[in-house]
Amino acid sequence: DADVTQTPRNRITKTGKRIMLECSQTKGHDRMYWYRQDPGLGLRLIYYSFDVKDINKGEISDGYSVSRQAQAKFSLSLESAIPNQTALYFCATSDSGTVNTEAFFGQGTRLTVV
Amino acid sequence: AQSVTQPDIHITVSEGASLELRCNYSYGATPYLFWYVQSPGQGLQLLLKYFSGDTLVQGIKGFEAEFKRSQSSFNLRKPSVHWSDAAEYFCAVGAREYGNKLVFGAGTILRVKS
Repeated sequence: DADVTQTPRNRITKTGKRIMLECSQTKGHDRMYWYRQDPGLGLRLIYYSFDVKDINKGEISDGYSVSRQAQAKFSLSLESAIPNQTALYFCATSDSGTVNTEAFFGQGTRLTVV
Repeated sequence: AQSVTQPDIHITVSEGASLELRCNYSYGATPYLFWYVQSPGQGLQLLLKYFSGDTLVQGIKGFEAEFKRSQSSFNLRKPSVHWSDAAEYFCAVGAREYGNKLVFGAGTILRVKS
């Protein structure tokens, strides 16, 4: 099983619909992140959480919300999806207690808003 | 604020030829630097990372990168490219004082011709 699991892997939704992307991890890390990837723009940070009670906006948080239900779970919601939210979304984790730690990524969720 | 520039959007090399992908970063102190690779339809895999110490770091799949503080660069190299190296490569910068949040470059798409 993957250390960082995202569900669903692919989703097509209609404009105006609410959608939730889920992320769970088995690495025991305290920090979790949501990024979106667009061609030519790389990955941009949407939200991040340093622990269950700590949620922070990233550089492109407008139109998104998150919930950290447990240390291992971090979900991303689009309250009213719009076509320019069509992108590849990645969840990532890292460990604050480990020196020289890197981020570990899920396989991504490809979201299409029509 | 941190930023990363990957000047080359696309690079095409012949199989067996050497490769260098450029990465320049902007950050006041010593950053953490990473190279990730993304194969089509896949998530991100860490190739190598630099935190401190020896400025030439070795990674997986025969890749290496050199941190040059004076040039604010962290270029990725491989002496002989294989067809399976065709993918998109991302340089990223992080810092402990930013909670290890990563800022990514726009990516470089590598094509390998036989």
